[in-house]
Amino acid sequence: DQQVKQNSPSLSVQEGRISILNCDYTNSMFDYFLWYKKYPAEGPTFLISISSIKDKNEDGRFTVFLNKSAKHLSLHIVPSQPGDSAVYFCAASAGGAGSYQLTFGKGTKLSVIP
Amino acid sequence: EAQVTQNPRYLITVTGKKLTVTCSQNMNHEYMSWYRQDPGLGLRQIYYSMNVEVTDKGDVPEGYKVSRKEKRNFPLILESPSPNQTSLYFCASSRRGLTGSNQPQHFGDGTRLSIL
Repeated sequence: DQQVKQNSPSLSVQEGRISILNCDYTNSMFDYFLWYKKYPAEGPTFLISISSIKDKNEDGRFTVFLNKSAKHLSLHIVPSQPGDSAVYFCAASAGGAGSYQLTFGKGTKLSVIP
Repeated sequence: EAQVTQNPRYLITVTGKKLTVTCSQNMNHEYMSWYRQDPGLGLRQIYYSMNVEVTDKGDVPEGYKVSRKEKRNFPLILESPSPNQTSLYFCASSRRGLTGSNQPQHFGDGTRLSIL
């Protein structure tokens, strides 16, 4: 039973345009969500997170939106740059403060075309 | 430089030959974890540790052992490796936030294991 789903294995976007990566979850206990970026031959690196008490968090070109009623979150990258080409993982945790266990999605490979 | 270091980065071995993948972090993090990444399956947690001498099973613990005798180290042990443990392994660590909330995990660069 996959609790965090990234239904698009890949996404191609033109440089300068918006990239939208989607993530759905089924566990209503999840209360903290993160996005990680992964380049080949490297470990995932933290990108941005959002708590369930918010519906939006922004950091530079990256914005994460959370729709709790739909159990859906999305990562927007504007404008997209070739260096953004990577695999993006959505992750979630439950249990409130002090919970460290993360459940990851399968990842979406983003290709930004110059 | 703050980092999580895994060794070896690559290993090819045979079924049944015990192996250990080491993981060390220099950030004084309380929490450490092991994941495996397989094609089409994303990252799945194997074991995690909330602090020294405190470990617990993740989603796919079968065939693995861990220990946390020191805060900085969290080795992953495969007592009798089998081909289905061929995978890309990641170690991660994070600190406990001031309010007790979770903090983003820092990942090592991965260890690619091939069990023949």
